[in-house]
Amino acid sequence: ETGVTQTPRHLVMGMTNKKSLKCEQHLGHNAMYWYKQSAKKPLELMFVYSLEERVENNSVPSRFSPECPNSSHLFLHLHTLQPEDSALYLCASSQDMGGVYEQYFGPGTRLTVT
Amino acid sequence: GDSVTQMEGPVTLSEEAFLTINCTYTATGYPSLFWYVQYPGEGLQLLLKATKADDKGSNKGFEATYRKETTSFHLEKGSVQVSDSAVYFCALFNNAGNMLTFGGGTRLMVKP
Repeated sequence: ETGVTQTPRHLVMGMTNKKSLKCEQHLGHNAMYWYKQSAKKPLELMFVYSLEERVENNSVPSRFSPECPNSSHLFLHLHTLQPEDSALYLCASSQDMGGVYEQYFGPGTRLTVT
Repeated sequence: GDSVTQMEGPVTLSEEAFLTINCTYTATGYPSLFWYVQYPGEGLQLLLKATKADDKGSNKGFEATYRKETTSFHLEKGSVQVSDSAVYFCALFNNAGNMLTFGGGTRLMVKP
């Protein structure tokens, strides 16, 4: 048990659908992250939140919209996605931002866009 | 920008064989270096880390030494087990960029 949970674990959606991914951390951390893991590509950082403020938006298309209502919860709202957005979406958290703080990852949501 | 390069997999070994997974990096300044492991169906877990040159990180029989002169952080284990089968990611954290940069991952398969 990593202390970071993600729901759903699997999601299939059409290009016109709207869905949301949820991440919850039970570790009392202040920083949370969304990553995209695609086949044959390095892990890509999408968004970083620190104390509920977005501090990093790594050139992510606007069809991905993050939300951090409190330090324990992080959402990724999805709309009008493309098939190339199919990937494993990983959430992570850390005590604070900075390299000295270990990032704890959730198990991921496997997203398939049809 | 920063980058991390890992050997492509899959790496297939027999149980008790010696493991080396190469990792080299490009970064400005003095990054911290990490190895993460991802078991099937799970998220990434930190395996070991080193924060300055010549540091050796170690955990569960794995070790890696931060070599600034060769900009490398190769992962080694003397005797692998079937349970070590997973994907291994090398990563760096550069305080200037305030984010982790990952390599592409190397899949390790250990056969009995």
